[in-house]
Amino acid sequence: GAGVSQSPRYKVAKRGQDVALRCDPISGHVSLFWYQQALGQGPEFLTYFQNEAQLDKSGLPSDRFFAERPEGSVSTLKIQRTQQEDSAVYLCASSFELAGFYNEQFFGPGTRLTVL
Amino acid sequence: DAKTTQPPSMDCAEGRAANLPCNHSTISGNEYVYWYRQIHSQGPQYIIHGLKNNETNEMASLIITEDRKSSTLILPHATLRDTAVYYCIVRVGGGNTDKLIFGTGTRLQVFP
Repeated sequence: GAGVSQSPRYKVAKRGQDVALRCDPISGHVSLFWYQQALGQGPEFLTYFQNEAQLDKSGLPSDRFFAERPEGSVSTLKIQRTQQEDSAVYLCASSFELAGFYNEQFFGPGTRLTVL
Repeated sequence: DAKTTQPPSMDCAEGRAANLPCNHSTISGNEYVYWYRQIHSQGPQYIIHGLKNNETNEMASLIITEDRKSSTLILPHATLRDTAVYYCIVRVGGGNTDKLIFGTGTRLQVFP
């Protein structure tokens, strides 16, 4: 299919481990977003890329969280020294248009991270 | 971005219309109303959006009051597959980030 894909779908990490979550956006989509969704809550914005440029990282909860999109397509969200409060579903979304115009965001299925 | 208020849950019989309300009393003139839904274990899915006029697409209708302080999402013939959490979001159509600010949404349960 041509949708947003994320891998792995499930990740279990021991507290203190580093994890890397991958997002493959829809081909040609300029904008890419990461969201974090805790159990029973709505998704919360983490960071935004326009092509390879990270234009907004205001939602990253701490300096343990790092995201990159070096070639303007695939993106990786890295969490260092994971803590139990990092347990959540991490959602990636992409959209065709540049920011500032109407754009529908297409979401991937998410990666469920469990930190023990 | 303006804050939205939605009921936490609603029920609807299969085949009937589901009317999901949303209050956004502090909405400003350049803010759009968006609706997304999230089916269990999936990512959110765009449904519809509007500024001031009522809108309709193949999935739903969006009715925005004249003062724009509230809106209603209408699923005309709900099916079991419409069971999901529905999010009403308002945001400005501009700026350098189009991040979505989700609330807790309305959990719609469609029953047979």
